[in-house]
Amino acid sequence: KNQVEQSPQSLIILEGKNCTLQCNYTVSPFSNLRWYKQDTGRGPVSLTIMTFSENTKSNGRYTATLDADTKQSSLHITASQLSDSASYICVVSPYSGAGSYQLTFGKGTKLSVIP
Amino acid sequence: NAGVTQTPKFRVLKTGQSMTLLCAQDMNHEYMYWYRQDPGMGLRLIHYSVGEGTTAKGEVPDGYNVSRLKKQNFLLGLESAAPSQTSVYFCASSYVWVPDGANVLTFGAGSRLTVL
Repeated sequence: KNQVEQSPQSLIILEGKNCTLQCNYTVSPFSNLRWYKQDTGRGPVSLTIMTFSENTKSNGRYTATLDADTKQSSLHITASQLSDSASYICVVSPYSGAGSYQLTFGKGTKLSVIP
Repeated sequence: NAGVTQTPKFRVLKTGQSMTLLCAQDMNHEYMYWYRQDPGMGLRLIHYSVGEGTTAKGEVPDGYNVSRLKKQNFLLGLESAAPSQTSVYFCASSYVWVPDGANVLTFGAGSRLTVL
C-alpha cells in the first residue's frame, strides 16, 4: 500500500531560526513529489514539485530535497517568519502508467513560529 | 482573483438531510477533484472528473454523488448525511492530469461540514 509518513508531527521554532521537515514514502513506481503549505482554514498551496530526476528545488526561503533511492524528501525553511506558521504536507504521485489515478497525501507537519 | 471557489464555507446538517457543495473554477481547467480532510489523516480523494460530463470514483466515494454538467463547475452531493461525513471538503482543479509530471493542483478554501 502506498504510504507517506511525515515527521515531526508538530514543531515550534523561534522566528528567524531554520528548520527541516521530513517525508518518507513507499509509493512505487514514483513520478513526482510535492510540498504544500496549508494555512489554518485555507486550502493547500503548492510550494515545490520535484520529479524523480531532480534532487533539489527552491522557492524563496523554502528548499526541498529528494533522494529517490532512499525514498526520502525534506523541506528546509530558512530564516523563518511568523507567516510560515502552517501545516506542511508532502504529496507523492505514482507513475500514472502504473494504473493509479490518485495522489498519496501525508498527514502533514504543523509548524508554529513564535516571536 | 482567478482560482477555485467553494460554497458554502460552513454548513451544519442533521443526520439524514441532504445537501450539495458547489465548486467553481475560472481557470478553464479540464480536471476537477473532491477531497475530504479529517484530523490525523491525509487528504483523501472522493470523486474526480476528467472533463465536462464525466465523473469517476476515488478512494472514498461511498455516500457521495457528483456531477459535472459544466466545465467550470463540479458539484458534490450528500443524499443522506451521516455523522461520519463530518469533515472539511476541498475541491481542486488542474489543467492536466495531476499524476502526470510536475503540474500544479489548485485547491479551494474548503467547506466545513458538521453532521449532527
